[in-house]
Amino acid sequence: NAGVTQTPKFQVLKTGQSMTLQCAQDMNHNSMYWYRQDPGMGLRLIYYSASEGTTDKGEVPNGYNVSRLNKREFSLRLESAAPSQTSVYFCASSEGYATNEKLFFGSGTQLSVL
Amino acid sequence: KQEVTQIPAALSVPEGENLVLNCSFTDSAIYNLQWFRQDPGKGLTSLLLIQSSQREQTSGRLNASLDKSSGRSTLYIAASQPGDSATYLCAVFSGGYNKLIFGAGTRLAVHP
Repeated sequence: NAGVTQTPKFQVLKTGQSMTLQCAQDMNHNSMYWYRQDPGMGLRLIYYSASEGTTDKGEVPNGYNVSRLNKREFSLRLESAAPSQTSVYFCASSEGYATNEKLFFGSGTQLSVL
Repeated sequence: KQEVTQIPAALSVPEGENLVLNCSFTDSAIYNLQWFRQDPGKGLTSLLLIQSSQREQTSGRLNASLDKSSGRSTLYIAASQPGDSATYLCAVFSGGYNKLIFGAGTRLAVHP
């Protein structure tokens, strides 16, 4: 059971570079999310897609863009990376939007921006 | 503003001890509360989900309670084992904010 798969697992960028984090789920879930986790803080929502074809901003969307490519895939793009974006990024999915649903998480991408 | 706080930030106990992790939230208007486990370098695994109308949920040695009116939840772990060592996070889904809001977690170490 693959569940939620994220790539890459690690990435080092220079300030100003761009990159895309990939996420795919094989559970036929409708909703997908991108979170970031910083030391001593809880997870913060960057963007989410409640259903295929829709995306919405979360708490900390600045500097990021997303694409819900199809029901399975939800990508996160950093157009011009900044040191403040150094973090661990998690993709998650749920059957429906998170009102009464358990979330399933990927294993994370550790990103360092120098 | 909904804020979720977990105390203590870290906890170390001997194997076999029963323990309680605490979670508090400032706005009682929630749809549900979830407890997650996070192992180092891994993603989160949902342990228990309590709907706003429920008082508790149980899974094996884990029992989570919810007191909406006081803005508190506890996660009780019975007969702790070294394999329980991980970070435990709670999160609430608030309709007014339309998203899941996480606490910073409690890092648990169970030593033999």
